[in-house]
Amino acid sequence: GQNIDQPTEMTATEGAIVQINCTYQTSGFNGLFWYQQHAGEAPTFLSYNVLDGLEEKGRFSSFLSRSKGYSYLLLKELQMKDSASYLCAVSPSYNTDKLIFGTGTRLQVFP
Amino acid sequence: EPEVTQTPSHQVTQMGQEVILRCVPISNHLYFYWYRQILGQKVEFLVSFYNNEISEKSEIFDDQFSVERPDGSNFTLKIRSTKLEDSAMYFCASSEVEAPGDEQYFGPGTRLTVT
Repeated sequence: GQNIDQPTEMTATEGAIVQINCTYQTSGFNGLFWYQQHAGEAPTFLSYNVLDGLEEKGRFSSFLSRSKGYSYLLLKELQMKDSASYLCAVSPSYNTDKLIFGTGTRLQVFP
Repeated sequence: EPEVTQTPSHQVTQMGQEVILRCVPISNHLYFYWYRQILGQKVEFLVSFYNNEISEKSEIFDDQFSVERPDGSNFTLKIRSTKLEDSAMYFCASSEVEAPGDEQYFGPGTRLTVT
């Protein structure tokens, strides 16, 4: 089966750092994506990892360990506008187009 | 910045009616997708489309669903006879080259309400 787990909700304070974890068990693996989704809006792309290690992009970083089936998204210098859901999505195979999404983690940033 | 557009933003229909959801992918993109998100639940893959044919579909995408690229710009999702459980947000997405590895750009979604 295909299973992607994320915490349901997290809270953090403006200016702080938060780490959102994602574990996956899929029939195959060909990359992991993180998307941001504000309420009532479309998901927007944040990052893509296919090799182990850390990918840094401004205030956001994403880490992948394929052997552990684990990824995290690290958000630094949190801003109020970072309050959103963060979706972990896996491409389960090199010969498929589809993405399998987790349920998302709703992050609330407080002043 | 180019973006995927979808119309209408909200569609209300009665059970048993046909609906067509419309999408205009980014102009140089070749791969097109439909996903849906039932309120409070995860985003679910429905179908992918390339070179004027379906390349993959999920179990959700049964005979009630169809997709079409009627011209060079539009990409549509048709639900022939809507059910209450079809109520969801439907997202269209497109990518320049074959996923994975290439970002799928999502449209703003069409909220479908079946009464």
